[in-house]
Amino acid sequence: GENVEQHPSTLSVQEGDSAVIKCTYSDSASNYFPWYKQELGKRPQLIIDIRSNVGEKKDQRIAVTLNKTAKHFSLHITETQPEDSAVYFCAASISDQAGTALIFGKGTTLSVSS
Amino acid sequence: NAGVTQTPKFQVLKTGQSMTLQCAQDMNHNSMYWYRQDPGMGLRLIYYSASEGTTDKGEVPNGYNVSRLNKREFSLRLESAAPSQTSVYFCASIRTGGSGSPLHFGNGTRLTVT
Repeated sequence: GENVEQHPSTLSVQEGDSAVIKCTYSDSASNYFPWYKQELGKRPQLIIDIRSNVGEKKDQRIAVTLNKTAKHFSLHITETQPEDSAVYFCAASISDQAGTALIFGKGTTLSVSS
Repeated sequence: NAGVTQTPKFQVLKTGQSMTLQCAQDMNHNSMYWYRQDPGMGLRLIYYSASEGTTDKGEVPNGYNVSRLNKREFSLRLESAAPSQTSVYFCASIRTGGSGSPLHFGNGTRLTVT
């Protein structure tokens, strides 16, 4: 089955710096890769996603890159702010006869200090 | 439009007790999912349902059963709770069963088994 590895598990940056979180996946059939942000005590919220026919996608300070050949994708946050502090999860899609689901990485705790 | 609603929000069980976690969505989504979240483990898929009347095992199905009662509702049952099932449980749904659709999460149920 699909295995999603996420690194680092914790990341501390100064306000204004960039943050990069990396994920690898094992199933070459995966074709959808979302990123979720989870604040303490709240549900995960989608922040950006990318599909396999695209190599890069940007949304203001957030960008995601995908390398299908190497089976890895990354989240880039520029000009970090204290409100970016949260746990970030990557995920990869799996599909079989039963349907489609998302398999998540173990998460990265990002701390942005001012 | 409430989105994905989970009940209860909190629950404490004794080892061996049973209970059902309820989930309902009002977005006319086809696919529904149950995940559990444990510190350092990310979100792990328990069971999912691609459509009404179908269910399938995820990464960690042991000790759980599910029922897709109708298109709106997807319940998770613990027949004999164990301390290892102490976790935060999230229900989620997707608009379509195909890849490329983001998950919509409920607010979670925090379960403690003593």
